Order: sequence, then C-alpha cells, then structure tokens
Amino acid sequence: DQQVKQNSPSLSVQEGRISILNCDYTNSMFDYFLWYKKYPAEGPTFLISISSIKDKNEDGRFTVFLNKSAKHLSLHIVPSQPGDSAVYFCAASVGGNNRLAFGKGNQVVVIP
Amino acid sequence: ETGVTQTPRHLVMGMTNKKSLKCEQHLGHNAMYWYKQSAKKPLELMFVYSLEERVENNSVPSRFSPECPNSSHLFLHLHTLQPEDSALYLCASSQDSLAGHTGELFFGEGSRLTVL
Repeated sequence: DQQVKQNSPSLSVQEGRISILNCDYTNSMFDYFLWYKKYPAEGPTFLISISSIKDKNEDGRFTVFLNKSAKHLSLHIVPSQPGDSAVYFCAASVGGNNRLAFGKGNQVVVIP
Repeated sequence: ETGVTQTPRHLVMGMTNKKSLKCEQHLGHNAMYWYKQSAKKPLELMFVYSLEERVENNSVPSRFSPECPNSSHLFLHLHTLQPEDSALYLCASSQDSLAGHTGELFFGEGSRLTVL
C-alpha cells in the first residue's frame, strides 16, 4: 500500500514562472516531511523539509506547505530556473526518524 | 572522497551469478540503508543498519543479503536474482541519535542492476 502519493508525474514550466508539486499521504502518523531532488545518474539530494508543527517552511526559492487535515503537502519553486529540471521526490517519516517512505517522484522540466 | 560512493555504477548479471554491490560513506554517519528504485515505483526501503546492526528488513527476498562490516561500509550480496530484480539500487547514510533525527538521508549515485 503506497503511503506517499505523487500524481501528475511530469510538469513543464517556463523559466521564471512558478512550479508547484503536490504530494498526498495516507498515514496520519507521519509528522515529518521532506522533498528530495534527483538529477539523472545521480542520487537524490535533500532539498527542504517541514515538521508537522508548522504549515510552511521557506528556503530561498523553495517553499513547502503542509495541510495536515487534508494530508497534503506541496512544494513551490519560484522563480523556476533551468537548473531546477529534475525529478522531485516527496518523503515522509514518523517521529522524524530516518526510515523514509517515498513517493514515485515528479519530473519537472523548466523551459528556458 | 566525498559523501556516499557506490560501486559498481552498472552491473549486468545472469540469474545464476553471484555479485555484490558496495557502498562507502565518508560522512561519519552511524546508519546506512539500501533502497531499491524500480521503474514507475517509489523508492522502496530494503534494509537499515544502525550502529552496524541490522535494525530493519522490509520483507526482502533472501536472494538479497546485506552486510555491514563497519559503520562506513555496506554491501548487498546478490545471488540467483530474477529479471524483475533489475532496478537502481541506492545506498544512503544518516546520523541517528537519541536526541532526535532529521529525516535527512545522504544518497549515493546508485548501482544500476540488470538481470538477464
């Protein structure tokens, strides 16, 4: 049973515009959420995280929003840059431990 | 040396072969992981080693056998695999502590395995 779901597997966006990636989860015990970014032929790298005690966390061009009641989080990238073209994975854990459940990933293509 | 390194990057093997994947982390972490990434599927956690002891085994078939000789090295021994085992195998490390965890894993570049 997939506990972390990422629909809309691919997204194309014009450079300078906003990219919005969505993630839904089913396990109400999850209380720590992360986004990872993956380039081809490289391992995933940590991008940004949010604890369930918050509903927003911002780091430069990247903002993650958490809606606990809807079991939904989203990643906003603004402005999008060509170097943001990658696969983005949503992940979640219980108690902030490092046993992460991942989604399938979203491919983002930023068009110059 | 930086981060988490995995060898080989690519491996092709027959179903009767025995091979091993190797992972080495240079971050001073105390926990290491094997994840499997199959096409169009989420990353699946296979094994977790914390302080060199296996603390998690997510119902992985016995044809996959992990080994963690020390906190910096992790192996995945492969024996009589099936074609459906073809996937990208990712190693990761993290720093676990009683004080709390960050949920942040550091991944290697992966070993692309093809089973013929």
